[in-house]
Amino acid sequence: AQTVTQSQPEMSVQEAETVTLSCTYDTSENNYYLFWYKQPPSRQMILVIRQEAYKQQNATENRFSVNFQKAAKSFSLKISDSQLGDTAMYFCAFMNSGGSNYKLTFGKGTLLTVNP
Amino acid sequence: GAGVSQSPRYKVAKRGQDVALRCDPISGHVSLFWYQQALGQGPEFLTYFQNEAQLDKSGLPSDRFFAERPEGSVSTLKIQRTQQEDSAVYLCASSTGYGYTFGSGTRLTVV
Repeated sequence: AQTVTQSQPEMSVQEAETVTLSCTYDTSENNYYLFWYKQPPSRQMILVIRQEAYKQQNATENRFSVNFQKAAKSFSLKISDSQLGDTAMYFCAFMNSGGSNYKLTFGKGTLLTVNP
Repeated sequence: GAGVSQSPRYKVAKRGQDVALRCDPISGHVSLFWYQQALGQGPEFLTYFQNEAQLDKSGLPSDRFFAERPEGSVSTLKIQRTQQEDSAVYLCASSTGYGYTFGSGTRLTVV
């Protein structure tokens, strides 16, 4: 079974600065997907960024980028130029690309607070 | 609709009461999922539908939990004889196969 670990229960950052959220995972699979989701107080899980394990290039979406280290099973999220609207819970998640490629396995989340 | 709609947004149930939670997925989305998110935790998989077929119910915590999607569109998650440990946010998501779209969930509180 896959596990996802987020070791930072809470983080804070000043507006306009950069913050990195950590995520490690454990799997015996070679092909899989990794995700970062944002959950604001509205509770809706919003996809921030997605990475395919077979791609060596790190995914980037505007101010959000990842550092994917497959050998180390590490998948950190970097948020540049932090904005007040980035305040939310952030969840790292894993999905197999094989037979059970529909289940998401989530970490426990990191509460990010962006301070003015 | 434009997004995944869940109702009710909040539900308070007395212990032992039965509850039904509704999910209206994005039109045309074949796949539908239910997740349970306990306080301070990440969501955990409950069950998966492809059209009206329930292909995986391995995450349902007990036989008090039952999900259906009779016409391959709207889905209902039913919990019988609710217990305090059932208190959680229940998230529904639908997918075309590339990515999930989540609803805003139903927060169930069992008192």
